[in-house]
Amino acid sequence: AQSVTQLDSQVPVFEEAPVELRCNYSSSVSVYLFWYVQYPNQGLQLLLKYLSGSTLVKGINGFEAEFNKSQTSFHLRKPSVHISDTAEYFCAAGDVGDDKIIFGKGTRLHILP
Amino acid sequence: EAGVTQFPSHSVIEKGQTVTLRCDPISGHDNLYWYRRVMGKEIKFLLHFVKESKQDESGMPNNRFLAERTGGTYSTLKVQPAELEDSGVYFCASSQARFGTEAFFGQGTRLTVV
Repeated sequence: AQSVTQLDSQVPVFEEAPVELRCNYSSSVSVYLFWYVQYPNQGLQLLLKYLSGSTLVKGINGFEAEFNKSQTSFHLRKPSVHISDTAEYFCAAGDVGDDKIIFGKGTRLHILP
Repeated sequence: EAGVTQFPSHSVIEKGQTVTLRCDPISGHDNLYWYRRVMGKEIKFLLHFVKESKQDESGMPNNRFLAERTGGTYSTLKVQPAELEDSGVYFCASSQARFGTEAFFGQGTRLTVV
């Protein structure tokens, strides 16, 4: 079964600075990966997903992530953050053939003015 | 198109009482999932329905939890009797297909057992 590690519980970043949120998953032959975001007082919203194909995945709100099979990583990046990006970000993974997805503990992104 | 709707948004109950959470998935979505997040920890899978059938209930904590999805539409998750450790946010999600397709999440029900 999959496991997902988000090493950073909180990440403070100045507005307009770049950010990277780290995610590592346990090794698997075939895996699919997601990043979800939870804005304050809202549900989980899908940012982007990787199923197959290009290892660079572009999502909503200017976010992108890169699938790195050798390092079993799926880090999330944004070149310039805004106050509106303040939220908690969850990395999730699933094995192909298994319906459930496994979440990491989440990373809170704090945007500093 | 309406999203996934969960009722209630918050519930505070005493230890030993019963609580029923409800989830209305997106119309036409055969797959329905329940997840739970205990404070400070990861979001954990509880179970998965395909239409009215339980496909995977490996994440259900114990027999105090009962999930149903009669008719393959809305689902309920009952906790009876509730314990303090059941406190957390319960999320419901639905998807049209399986294996890696996007699951749409509701806003969650925050359950507090006192």
